[in-house]
Amino acid sequence: EPEVTQTPSHQVTQMGQEVILRCVPISNHLYFYWYRQILGQKVEFLVSFYNNEISEKSEIFDDQFSVERPDGSNFTLKIRSTKLEDSAMYFCASSDDRVQPQHFGDGTRLSIL
Amino acid sequence: AQSVTQPDIHITVSEGASLELRCNYSYGATPYLFWYVQSPGQGLQLLLKYFSGDTLVQGIKGFEAEFKRSQSSFNLRKPSVHWSDAAEYFCAVVRGGATNKLIFGTGTLLAVQP
Repeated sequence: EPEVTQTPSHQVTQMGQEVILRCVPISNHLYFYWYRQILGQKVEFLVSFYNNEISEKSEIFDDQFSVERPDGSNFTLKIRSTKLEDSAMYFCASSDDRVQPQHFGDGTRLSIL
Repeated sequence: AQSVTQPDIHITVSEGASLELRCNYSYGATPYLFWYVQSPGQGLQLLLKYFSGDTLVQGIKGFEAEFKRSQSSFNLRKPSVHWSDAAEYFCAVVRGGATNKLIFGTGTLLAVQP
């Protein structure tokens, strides 16, 4: 069964550094998402992306965050200058339709020191 | 505020016993409803979904869920739990309309004892 893959599985970064989290969505999917889960808290929506542009973003997704689909297969989340509070598990998801279920990757655990 | 509530943070059941995990939502219209499961170190796997129609939906791994509009609930059930069902379970909704973001509950951690 096709799946969403995320790399790396764990990223350790110094505060203030830039980090890029990578995702390969399911190949025929058109809608892409990033969510995050801070330890002990609920999964929170960050951003959705369709037709090469952001379709929706949360208030968490400020100017420090950006997303990109640099080629036909990858979908990336960049945090420009990381803060301690960015430490979380970041999940990428994709779907083939606006209201169809979103399929999730295994996540990238981001640790900011 | 619009939200998804899972009132049980942690549930322990015996293997072979039945299971019901509760989920309530507070939205004006019926949203699209989902249950996901997260095993340790893994991502979120879709168990089942409800969009419309029959209010009892079947999912993978022997799970089912029933949508009750009058109670704004979408409870997950399994008649006989297996040790491999130990995981965290998340109820989630898509409100619909202009948004397709998933809004998650806080999760219920299921432990299964022999």
